[in-house]
Amino acid sequence: QKEVEQDPGPLSVPEGAIVSLNCTYSNSAFQYFMWYRQYSRKGPELLMYTYSSGNKEDGRFTAQVDKSSKYISLFIRDSQPSDSATYLCAMRDDKIIFGKGTRLHILP
Amino acid sequence: DTGVSQDPRHKITKRGQNVTFRCDPISEHNRLYWYRQTLGQGPEFLTYFQNEAQLEKSRLLSDRFSAERPKGSFSTLEIQRTEQGDSAMYLCASSRGDSSYEQYFGPGTRLTVT
Repeated sequence: QKEVEQDPGPLSVPEGAIVSLNCTYSNSAFQYFMWYRQYSRKGPELLMYTYSSGNKEDGRFTAQVDKSSKYISLFIRDSQPSDSATYLCAMRDDKIIFGKGTRLHILP
Repeated sequence: DTGVSQDPRHKITKRGQNVTFRCDPISEHNRLYWYRQTLGQGPEFLTYFQNEAQLEKSRLLSDRFSAERPKGSFSTLEIQRTEQGDSAMYLCASSRGDSSYEQYFGPGTRLTVT
């Protein structure tokens, strides 16, 4: 079992829909949980990070961490075509481990 | 713009040649990281520096790879005797030492070995 599992998609949703992206993990030592957005042929861009369990909101984005289930989520409200990208979850104990990324397409 | 910069953005080389990539981190960041990303995968950690000291190297970093950060500012990643399997995006990131979970990435160098 990989340390971080993420469905690669692609996930296609209509503009304005709520998007839910998820990752599971196996290492209970992870304390920091991050979400990165990566546009094609660009470097990853840090969207949000969360320490331990709980929720964090930033504009249209909400990150949730459930350490008891080893499950993290990113919700995007009022999705826009410009949100079309690959979303990478990442987690840290002594170094950062990335998921494979989920390709998201927002259909106009 | 004071973000992380990488040079070159693209490099095409023939198998067996040596290549060197450069990364300039955000100026106040003392940690610098190198990652490799292949198609359909997330970035994989290669190595990192705190100031000029190289503190960790991944098993992925074979003897043909070497990284330096001589004055604790910019860093170089050299690949000797390139192989087709080295074709990938090489990403650099930087962070403050006390917040290594908050890494900022450069645009990457895309290497193609023919």
